Amino acid sequence: EAGVAQSPRYKIIEKRQSVAFWCNPISGHATLYWYQQILGQGPKLLIQFQNNGVVDDSQLPKDRFSAERLKGVDSTLKIQPAKLEDSAVYLCASSLDEVGSVWFFGPGTRLTVL
Amino acid sequence: AQKVTQAQTEISVVEKEDVTLDCVYETRDTTYYLFWYKQPPSGELVFLIRRNSFDEQNEISGRYSWNFQKSTSSFNFTITASQVVDSAVYFCALSDPAQDQGAQKLVFGQGTRLTINP
Repeated sequence: EAGVAQSPRYKIIEKRQSVAFWCNPISGHATLYWYQQILGQGPKLLIQFQNNGVVDDSQLPKDRFSAERLKGVDSTLKIQPAKLEDSAVYLCASSLDEVGSVWFFGPGTRLTVL
Repeated sequence: AQKVTQAQTEISVVEKEDVTLDCVYETRDTTYYLFWYKQPPSGELVFLIRRNSFDEQNEISGRYSWNFQKSTSSFNFTITASQVVDSAVYFCALSDPAQDQGAQKLVFGQGTRLTINP
């Protein structure tokens, strides 16, 4: 079974530029999550989708971050404009829409903002 | 509010030693799930175990074992006869399904960086 796919794996940009990350969840997983992991910290939830809809985006800095999940499958996360403090690993995860389901994570995108 | 605490920031041991990673959690709900994930240098979070709040049986999987104690809100992870390949950051996490709109949340601890030296 294929896991969660993410691209690109690495991205280096200058501050104020824009960047987009892509995620393809495990087939059949209704719930998709984007996490931000700053070096030395645990992952922090940015946004959660259930099928097409946003369930929780309370931790998403909406002035610069946006995310969408088209057709309830793939998702993109965009940052515009990027700040130095956005340097982090962005992890995508998916799970079944069932209580107690396991979160499966992708390899992440390591973003460096110069 | 949910909270997971991993008090050990870094642990370093010599190969073949046993090592225990501590995890303490806080939740007001009676139904919840606890997880351990491994994050090797490659960066991907690898699922190790899930435990629900009604199952306090300890679990053993090869060299790995987990001790769940509701009385102390702890879910500790022990590696027996550690190996260099066990070197990674280990995260304990808590999922509480009793959220608005049925949306589960997974809250992570800060992680413990484990280094196994040859």
